[in-house]
Amino acid sequence: AQTVTQSQPEMSVQEAETVTLSCTYDTSESDYYLFWYKQPPSRQMILVIRQEAYKQQNATENRFSVNFQKAAKSFSLKISDSQLGDAAMYFCAYRVSAGNMLTFGGGTRLMVKP
Amino acid sequence: DAGITQSPRHKVTETGTPVTLRCHQTENHRYMYWYRQDPGHGLRLIHYSYGVKDTDKGEVSDGYSVSRSKTEDFLLTLESATSSQTSVYFCAITPARASGNTIYFGEGSWLTVV
Repeated sequence: AQTVTQSQPEMSVQEAETVTLSCTYDTSESDYYLFWYKQPPSRQMILVIRQEAYKQQNATENRFSVNFQKAAKSFSLKISDSQLGDAAMYFCAYRVSAGNMLTFGGGTRLMVKP
Repeated sequence: DAGITQSPRHKVTETGTPVTLRCHQTENHRYMYWYRQDPGHGLRLIHYSYGVKDTDKGEVSDGYSVSRSKTEDFLLTLESATSSQTSVYFCAITPARASGNTIYFGEGSWLTVV
């Protein structure tokens, strides 16, 4: 079974600085997708960024980028120029390309200090 | 915006009573999902549907049933609610042309079983 682990229950960052959230996963599959979702206090699940496992290039979306290390099964999220609105729970998730289940990590709570 | 409407958004019910949560979408998405979110567990898949009358179990399906009699609506039923089913329930969809089979979530339904 696939598992996703987020080893940092909480992180904090100063406004305008950079923070990296860690995620590791365990799978025997070769074709899969990885995602980061943001969940603000409203509890809405918002897609931040996705990465296809077959792509070597790391995904980037504005201030958000990932460091995807397929051999190490690591998928970290880097947030640059952190803003107060970035404060939220962040969930790493995995999905086999031919599957229907999204497997989530336990989440990391990010606090942004002004 | 995933174009999903969940109802009710908040409900308090008594142990042993039946409860039905509704997920409605207007964009003809084939795949629909029900997840639950509990502290420390991220989101976990309860059931999913891949078409009208086509459903399958997820990771935590015990105590839940689903129905999809038309494309727009995916219903989640708790036949006899228990306190362990107190949770936040998310409906989700995968758009037909979604990159990476991305799953998009509704706003959630808060269910409290007393």
